[in-house]
Amino acid sequence: KAGVTQTPRYLIKTRGQQVTLSCSPISGHRSVSWYQQTPGQGLQFLFEYFSETQRNKGNFPGRFSGRQFSNSRSEMNVSTLELGDSALYLCASSSTGSTFGDFGPGTRLTVT
Amino acid sequence: GIQVEQSPPDLILQEGANSTLRCNFSDSVNNLQWFHQNPWGQLINLFYIPSGTKQNGRLSATTVATERYSLLYISSSQTTDSGVYFCAGDSGGYQKVTFGTGTKLQVIP
Repeated sequence: KAGVTQTPRYLIKTRGQQVTLSCSPISGHRSVSWYQQTPGQGLQFLFEYFSETQRNKGNFPGRFSGRQFSNSRSEMNVSTLELGDSALYLCASSSTGSTFGDFGPGTRLTVT
Repeated sequence: GIQVEQSPPDLILQEGANSTLRCNFSDSVNNLQWFHQNPWGQLINLFYIPSGTKQNGRLSATTVATERYSLLYISSSQTTDSGVYFCAGDSGGYQKVTFGTGTKLQVIP
């Protein structure tokens, strides 16, 4: 089966801009979760969507948002980018919404 | 939230050597999992192991839930085992997911 895909894989943005990242889950998976990984804070949970509804949200400011479409693909958006948003953003999908799931390759975002 | 401590933080092994990685939790956790992050950033599930012992090839894991720790054993290490190993768990759903800080493993030929 095809794995979780994330696009783009690499991205460079400027402070103040906004960015949208995309995650396509494994076929049949209805839960998509997002994580941020930085050298300083490590891996942190952002949010989880199941059947187009945000079910869980981590401790991140409102600049971080997401959505899920009817085909289970998910996007996350970060507005008014800050230097500290530079990170590897990972998404994972699962069929039942159990914690974690199968991870995608990540999107590496650099904010300059 | 729970605290997750991993040891050692760094490990260098000669190819063929064995190793044990440890994960300590400050409180009871659900959905304890071990991951391997390869040098390209891909996070790969190794074991879902809230309790007991599991084995998959050269890797095995043991969780002693009552004592709040988990161990990951790597035998006959190979250079492809290099990367960072994380453990993680939750103390009640996604909002309470906590990852360890990882063990960076380098296997040299």
